[in-house]
Parts: sequence; structure tokens; C-alpha cells
Amino acid sequence: GQNIDQPTEMTATEGAIVQINCTYQTSGFNGLFWYQQHAGEAPTFLSYNVLDGLEEKGRFSSFLSRSKGYSYLLLKELQMKDSASYLCAVMDSNYQLIWGAGTKLIIKP
Amino acid sequence: DGGITQSPKYLFRKEGQNVTLSCEQNLNHDAMYWYRQDPGQGLRLIYYSQIVNDFQKGDIAEGYSVSREKKESFPLTVTSAQKNPTAFYLCASRSGGESDTQYFGPGTRLTVL
Repeated sequence: GQNIDQPTEMTATEGAIVQINCTYQTSGFNGLFWYQQHAGEAPTFLSYNVLDGLEEKGRFSSFLSRSKGYSYLLLKELQMKDSASYLCAVMDSNYQLIWGAGTKLIIKP
Repeated sequence: DGGITQSPKYLFRKEGQNVTLSCEQNLNHDAMYWYRQDPGQGLRLIYYSQIVNDFQKGDIAEGYSVSREKKESFPLTVTSAQKNPTAFYLCASRSGGESDTQYFGPGTRLTVL
């Protein structure tokens, strides 16, 4: 079967760095996506990785290792507004997104 | 402004009633999707459409129906056959091209009383 695993909840301190991991087993791979979702709102697109390596976009970076079925989202200089759920999703061989349950990130002052 | 709109944001219905959730996009995207989100679970695909006048069942299509008569519109009907319809419903459209990203509307929270 297809499976995306990510931690249920993480806590970090304002100004610090946090890494959210995602491991996946899917039928085929056509890219991995990270989305941010604030409570009660829709997911918003953060990043897309299809090749191995690190993609940096401001305070957010995303890493992919296809051979290990592994990705992480790195958030630097954490701000209180970064408190949200972070969703990992993999596009499978049918170009459908398979979603993880999300990681709720709590930022403390 | 280009984007995806869903209405209404909150919807209450009595058990046994059908209800239609609207989704409109002006991004000129061909593909559109309906997901359901429940607490503690990943998004689950209900239906998707790659092109006008064509749509496919997703993983949890039972109790739902859709139509795609126009490129811009992909309404979802939650029928009385859906056993547990209370959820957050999200519509998305896909950009295609190099990044092939799905973008979401604001969602409709449906509560069945």
C-alpha cells in the first residue's frame, strides 16, 4: 500500500530552527510537496522537490532523498505565525497526491 | 485576481438532505479535485476531473457526486447516502507544467445535524 509518515506534533521556540521529517512508500514518484495549513484554513503551497537535494526558499528549505524515501522541511528563524500544520504529499505514478496526516508545529515564545 | 473560490464557508444541513458545495476557479487550470479532511487524517480524494465533461472517482467517492460542465466549475453534491458527511471539504485545481502544483480554495466546513 501507499504510506506517508510524519510526526503528529512538534514544539519549537521562537527564533530557533526546526526540521519536520517525512518518509514515504508510494507506487511511483513524480515529486514531493510541502504545504502549510493554519487551523481552519486551506493548505497553501510551500515547496516542491522532484530531484534529490535541497531547495531553499527564504526561511524555508526542503530536502529530498528518493533512494531513502525521505524528505524534510527546515524552518529557520521561527516566528509565532509559523504555528500551523505542515503537510507532506507525494505525487504517485498516476499523478495523484498521496497525503500524510500532517505535523502540527507549536511555537513557544 | 486569479484564484479558487468555494462557497459557503460554513454550511449546516439536516440529516437526509442532499447539499451541493460550489467550487469555481479562474486560473485556467484543466484539472480540479475534491478532498475531504477529518481531524488527525490526511486529505482524502473524493473525485477529480482532468478535463471538462470527464471526472473520475477517488478513494472515497461513495455518497458523493460531481459534474464538470464548464472548465471553471466543479460542484460537489453530498448525498444522503454519505454516512458521515460532517467534515472540511477542500477543492483544488492543478497548474500542470513543470511544478504541477495543486492550489486550494478556502474550504467549506459542512456540519450535518
